[in-house]
Amino acid sequence: GAVVSQHPSRVICKSGTSVKIECRSLDFQATTMFWYRQFPKKSLMLMATSNEGSKATYEQGVEKDKFLINHASLTLSTLTVTSAHPEDSSFYICSASPSGQYSNQPQHFGDGTRLSIL
Amino acid sequence: SQKIEQNSEALNIQEGKTATLTCNYTNYSPAYLQWYRQDPGRGPVFLLLIRENEKEKRKERLKVTFDTTLKQSLFHITASQPADSATYLCALNNNAGNMLTFGGGTRLMVKP
Repeated sequence: GAVVSQHPSRVICKSGTSVKIECRSLDFQATTMFWYRQFPKKSLMLMATSNEGSKATYEQGVEKDKFLINHASLTLSTLTVTSAHPEDSSFYICSASPSGQYSNQPQHFGDGTRLSIL
Repeated sequence: SQKIEQNSEALNIQEGKTATLTCNYTNYSPAYLQWYRQDPGRGPVFLLLIRENEKEKRKERLKVTFDTTLKQSLFHITASQPADSATYLCALNNNAGNMLTFGGGTRLMVKP
């Protein structure tokens, strides 16, 4: 149980393109999902908390107009990297928990999206 | 400043030995600490959660300790196998209570 699916797994595109990444909870409802960014051999950096039916909460230093988050249903959150540039190339991972955003509950992660901007 | 430190150097051990990974934190007062496994190109997978009032937690070949005085958690894998080779991440809640912050991870290599 508690499966999170992320799509696509890999994207290669030209600079200036907008890229949408989907995160789905397959067997549970998630009012809260989390989006992370991970650089090679580095830790996961929380970008934003996606809240169903309301605006996302962004971490300091993350541009909300650059990384658009939509959480329109209890099983789907999307992250759109707008007008992507080479510096946006990274590994993006989402997570969710059937129990919400509480730290006493394990998070279930998608398998990530490798974004490469040429 | 707040820090979560894991040994960034890879840990190489022989199959059958016990692997011990360390997670130290500064300027946090976590109520919970979690450990995850991450394979290359994959998302992390939850392994164990330990509460601040628990000294030790076990799951099969895994054991986690949590010392709030030393501000340290140790993660042990006994009878290690090559399939245990991966990066192991510790994570804890920040002082606001709810959000998880991750350490940099330690890569474990178990040689046959």
